[in-house]
Amino acid sequence: DAKTTQPNSMESNEEEPVHLPCNHSTISGTDYIHWYRQLPSQGPEYVIHGLTSNVNNRMASLAIAEDRKSSTLILHRATLRDAAVYYCILRNYGQNFVFGPGTRLSVLP
Amino acid sequence: DTGVSQDPRHKITKRGQNVTFRCDPISEHNRLYWYRQTLGQGPEFLTYFQNEAQLEKSRLLSDRFSAERPKGSFSTLEIQRTEQGDSAMYLCASSPDGGLYGYTFGSGTRLTVV
Repeated sequence: DAKTTQPNSMESNEEEPVHLPCNHSTISGTDYIHWYRQLPSQGPEYVIHGLTSNVNNRMASLAIAEDRKSSTLILHRATLRDAAVYYCILRNYGQNFVFGPGTRLSVLP
Repeated sequence: DTGVSQDPRHKITKRGQNVTFRCDPISEHNRLYWYRQTLGQGPEFLTYFQNEAQLEKSRLLSDRFSAERPKGSFSTLEIQRTEQGDSAMYLCASSPDGGLYGYTFGSGTRLTVV
């Protein structure tokens, strides 16, 4: 399984943008980049995914480097409800998701 | 559709007892997955079903663990002769086919073995 590297933890102030980095230097051409988050006492929740182009949805934006060896999840205005563990996962279609330890995001009021 | 449901949410059991968890996936999803998560770690894959067929099992799934999905709808995960090391959150997820858009997870069953 291709590996990702994320910081263990990050802090953000409420209502400010948050940029969560992910390195994946061994990504293959058919690996999709998925982001999930896990709120306290909940199962993981899908956030966004992409292959090569940047992606936007109502929750977040995903910026993918041109060489695809890194990506950044962008929360445009962090709220207290965004405090969670964020997982960056590489996955080929049909493969199982392999979760790392993720980044624990704290949002300060 | 209310998403993926897991029951119970919490289970405390004595070492050596058997426990069974249930997962009800999203009705139109034919794939169902079980994961285990210990404190501070990401979820670890245990097994998955396509309809009623169990297609893959992780090495984490010891002989004391068994999972079924008898009619291709709900699934059960049974742990026999529980050990303290089995204490974890057990997560169920479902997806349509290979799940290009990913899985939908339930809220999990937290097992504590005392």
